Amino acid sequence: GAVVSQHPSRVICKSGTSVKIECRSLDFQATTMFWYRQFPKQSLMLMATSNEGSKATYEQGVEKDKFLINHASLTLSTLTVTSAHPEDSSFYICSAYTGTGDEKLFFGSGTQLSVL
Amino acid sequence: AQSVTQLDSHVSVSEGTPVLLRCNYSSSYSPSLFWYVQHPNKGLQLLLKYTSAATLVKGINGFEAEFKKSETSFHLTKPSAHMSDAAEYFCVVSGGGGNKLTFGTGTQLKVEL
Repeated sequence: GAVVSQHPSRVICKSGTSVKIECRSLDFQATTMFWYRQFPKQSLMLMATSNEGSKATYEQGVEKDKFLINHASLTLSTLTVTSAHPEDSSFYICSAYTGTGDEKLFFGSGTQLSVL
Repeated sequence: AQSVTQLDSHVSVSEGTPVLLRCNYSSSYSPSLFWYVQHPNKGLQLLLKYTSAATLVKGINGFEAEFKKSETSFHLTKPSAHMSDAAEYFCVVSGGGGNKLTFGTGTQLKVEL
């Protein structure tokens, strides 16, 4: 299957700093990428849908100024958690949509963010 | 609107015995249903999916699921558990022609010797 690379896999940062998470589709072009957040023992919650070359569409309750999403190319989307606080500590995971083939959606391996 | 309920947060089985992970769904549309598996420190992997074709869907690693519209269920089964099946399993629904996925809360499968 197609490969989606997410980096870093784990990051620890101080409160007030910003953290950037990258999501790359390695062997296909993804016009659409999705960002999810997963709290411990809870389900993945869709944060936003990222379309190449346009503004991301955020789900209700997600602060767009807090979670900046950029999808500048067909193979890269980034999520920046700005002025991170301990409550932003979570597991963030991206997925990329191929639009073709039998299996169209592929997930990255996730990023565990810990804000001290 | 769509939602998914995974009835068990934890399931523990012995190696070689059957696995049953339960999932009920709700959708305003004709849904597509998926089961994903998440191993520690790994990305989500698609096990199988139902998209309005055969109601009994066979997936990878010996897993299968049956779509039962009358019961709004999509339970995941495997005849014989293997140690490598220990992981978190998510039931997922997608509907309305979009790519928006709604995840269940997950079931942690533990396989014991």
